[in-house]
Amino acid sequence: ETGVTQSPTHLIKTRGQQVTLRCSSQSGHNTVSWYQQALGQGPQFIFQYYREEENGRGNFPPRFSGLQFPNYSSELNVNALELDDSALYLCASSPIPGLAGEGDTQYFGPGTRLTVL
Amino acid sequence: SQELEQSPQSLIVQEGKNLTINCTSSKTLYGLYWYKQKYGEGLIFLMMLQKGGEEKSHEKITAKLDEKKQQSSLHITASQPSHAGIYLCGADITGANNLFFGTGTRLTVIP
Repeated sequence: ETGVTQSPTHLIKTRGQQVTLRCSSQSGHNTVSWYQQALGQGPQFIFQYYREEENGRGNFPPRFSGLQFPNYSSELNVNALELDDSALYLCASSPIPGLAGEGDTQYFGPGTRLTVL
Repeated sequence: SQELEQSPQSLIVQEGKNLTINCTSSKTLYGLYWYKQKYGEGLIFLMMLQKGGEEKSHEKITAKLDEKKQQSSLHITASQPSHAGIYLCGADITGANNLFFGTGTRLTVIP
């Protein structure tokens, strides 16, 4: 069974640029969630995708957008990068969104470290 | 997040000692998840609790969810250097499986 993978591992961008981060979900999982983790903080929920549709969004501006593909992999796009967007971006996959039981458990990838200069 | 408070923020213990980390929610928890994170890396799933009064154990780590489902504790028995890392509690407080996280507890185990 393949775990959650993310690419790239590290990325350096300048303010105002655009970035795309990628995530491949764990085998058998059809739900992908994205989180932003600033240094010294816990992860903050950005949004979740289920069956290629956005299925919940946290308190992030519209310049944070995403996609999910038929194979359940996902992309996070951030436009007009700001210095505060520097963070570890985590992707997590789970089998079923919002249902009781162990099937809700989200399994995380290693993250992409984004630095905005 | 303000919805979840974790304590302590950091903990330094001698190898072999027991320790407890607490996680308190301002709202009823649909699910409470404990993860461990090495600095700058992804989160490793430890345990998930859902029912009031539930308790789960894995090796030397035990997690409990109180009856009112608003507080959880993680207890490590006879700590080892391999237990070092950041422990994060994540909570589903909406039922939609969008997790809110505490700020984490940084555990250092001195050999």
